[in-house]
Amino acid sequence: EADIYQTPRYLVIGTGKKITLECSQTMGHDKMYWYQQDPGMELHLIHYSYGVNSTEKGDLSSESTVSRIRTEHFPLTLESARPSHTSQYLCASTLTGYEQYFGPGTRLTVT
Amino acid sequence: DAKTTQPPSMDCAEGRAANLPCNHSTISGNEYVYWYRQIHSQGPQYIIHGLKNNETNEMASLIITEDRKSSTLILPHATLRDTAVYYCIVRDAGGTSYGKLTFGQGTILTVHP
Repeated sequence: EADIYQTPRYLVIGTGKKITLECSQTMGHDKMYWYQQDPGMELHLIHYSYGVNSTEKGDLSSESTVSRIRTEHFPLTLESARPSHTSQYLCASTLTGYEQYFGPGTRLTVT
Repeated sequence: DAKTTQPPSMDCAEGRAANLPCNHSTISGNEYVYWYRQIHSQGPQYIIHGLKNNETNEMASLIITEDRKSSTLILPHATLRDTAVYYCIVRDAGGTSYGKLTFGQGTILTVHP
């Protein structure tokens, strides 16, 4: 079993609130990723990091931001949540690039 | 990155082998074939990857054609728990795309009793 954790698992929040989705891994992986997936739709890469102080935008434009201050921690922040941000957010990490370990995801609903 | 084509859905009887095809006719020499699956909106799970040789692990076998334009993922004895969306992904393992995966629609595999 992969040791990658996401909290909260479910979040319902009102429009305009600031939220942070947490992602942590205990495997010492340098590379971490955030994906977004709407129900029944494809996963899209929105952010990635190759190590501490490294963050890049992914293939899908997102209003969220990320930080990587510690190897094990890769939080995602939305400064002002909107209903269009309602989605599932999945975090992943890898050491080699071949085998990515995914967390259980956070289901975000913005009302 | 090479584009992949997979059938949208497949059925398989429990206990039988499930053979999931993937076409990647534009694959380049340094691109790997990866397979992941996603069970009911959980986080995707890595299954196997290969470059040109056939590969086998405890979960599945990966058969890549000699010209590398297509591959087949084989689940030798499918169970109900193998019902999932299976993604075939082709990606360069290094360079600027290191580790970035592009998930398509995948194949919905339904294993029935």
